[in-house]
Amino acid sequence: DSGVTQTPKHLITATGQRVTLRCSPRSGDLSVYWYQQSLDQGLQFLIQYYNGEERAKGNILERFSAQQFPDLHSELNLSSLELGDSALYFCASTQESGSGSYNEQFFGPGTRLTVL
Amino acid sequence: AQKITQTQPGMFVQEKEAVTLDCTYDTSDQSYGLFWYKQPSSGEMIFLIYQGSYDEQNATEGRYSLNFQKARKSANLVISASQLGDSAMYFCAMREDGDSGGGADGLTFGKGTHLIIQP
Repeated sequence: DSGVTQTPKHLITATGQRVTLRCSPRSGDLSVYWYQQSLDQGLQFLIQYYNGEERAKGNILERFSAQQFPDLHSELNLSSLELGDSALYFCASTQESGSGSYNEQFFGPGTRLTVL
Repeated sequence: AQKITQTQPGMFVQEKEAVTLDCTYDTSDQSYGLFWYKQPSSGEMIFLIYQGSYDEQNATEGRYSLNFQKARKSANLVISASQLGDSAMYFCAMREDGDSGGGADGLTFGKGTHLIIQP
């Protein structure tokens, strides 16, 4: 158990819909990262938040957005869903952020999204 | 060009043998970190080992060691005395410091190697 929690575990929805994935980082971790794992694209970094602020952006679509709340939990919002958005979405956390801090990222169990 | 290349899509290894999983990387940054993660069939991502670009010694964690050859931009994972429970997908990943202007704090992953340990 990494200490990172994600809800829900599974989500099935239809094209065009909007969903919210939730992540609680390990106690004391300030950085939250979101990743998407799909058969086509593999594991891709989407976005990072550090202590409530957006820190870095990866291959995140404009239809997707995220935020980190004062209690440090984070939500990933996916809208206008398409079949290709079906994937396993991971959240990961580390204690620190910034260049030179190479703490390992602890991954949550993931949310498996199926878009029908 | 791919930043992380894992050339072995799949490997079969006999139990108790040592196994080397290949990983080469591409970066212009001087500061970066290299990671290996294990993903069993249950889906979770398990951190195995980390190597910093300035670390002079190869990283070791129990049965895992990282064969870091900086000049060749290679960071192979070595698992000694393999066990049936080592069967899983293994991902090599890199985090760049961004001193070349292109880095972010997210990890860049390779496509993975599916390792199967046979009894």
